[in-house]
Amino acid sequence: EVQLVESGGGLVKPGGSLRLSCVASGFTFNSYWMSWVRQAPGKRLEWVASIRQDGSDKNYVDSVKGRFSISRDNAKSSLFLQMNSLRAEDTALYYCARGPSSGNSLGYWGQGALVTVSS
Amino acid sequence: DIQMTQAPSTLSASVGDRVTITCRASQSIGTYLNWYQQKPGRAPKLLISGASRLQSGVPLSFSGSGSGTDFILTISSLQPEDFATYFCQQGDRTPYTFGQGTKVEIK
Repeated sequence: EVQLVESGGGLVKPGGSLRLSCVASGFTFNSYWMSWVRQAPGKRLEWVASIRQDGSDKNYVDSVKGRFSISRDNAKSSLFLQMNSLRAEDTALYYCARGPSSGNSLGYWGQGALVTVSS
Repeated sequence: DIQMTQAPSTLSASVGDRVTITCRASQSIGTYLNWYQQKPGRAPKLLISGASRLQSGVPLSFSGSGSGTDFILTISSLQPEDFATYFCQQGDRTPYTFGQGTKVEIK
């Protein structure tokens, strides 16, 4: 069974940093692109970033470029999102997802980690 | 960025009803259109990829169609477990973008 478990969310002040982690199980982690997707309260889902299997290619939504960094540790089946210079508008539930794969879909999602940016 | 618009935003239906949800892209995306189901407090679940490819384990009552800019998700006979929020996502190019969601409620 595919499982994705996020951790590292919490309350942080504007300008602060946070690192999200996602541990994967039930599939060969190093065979898949991996992504982060977020959902702010009352808003639609927003794709944040994706990383290739070997970490050699990374893509970001413009609103986080230069502030967020996606990375992975294939030996530990783990995905990370380093978030710096956080803003109130980064407040959201952050999902770890497997993909993009077929049709650039996101085949499996975790339960999410809540990030709240507030003074 | 490609904008994705779903209709309706909310849909009231009864068990056994045929339900259709539409998704429109602001520019052509071929068949790079994916559909997800989300229930309260649960992770999103991929239902259909590539506009019409049903994922393993998804009931045959679900189907998807369309290409270019206009897409449809159909539930042929609504079941109690189908009451949820559905959203589309374009995978044609980054940034991948999502529709605003369609909540299917019990009538």
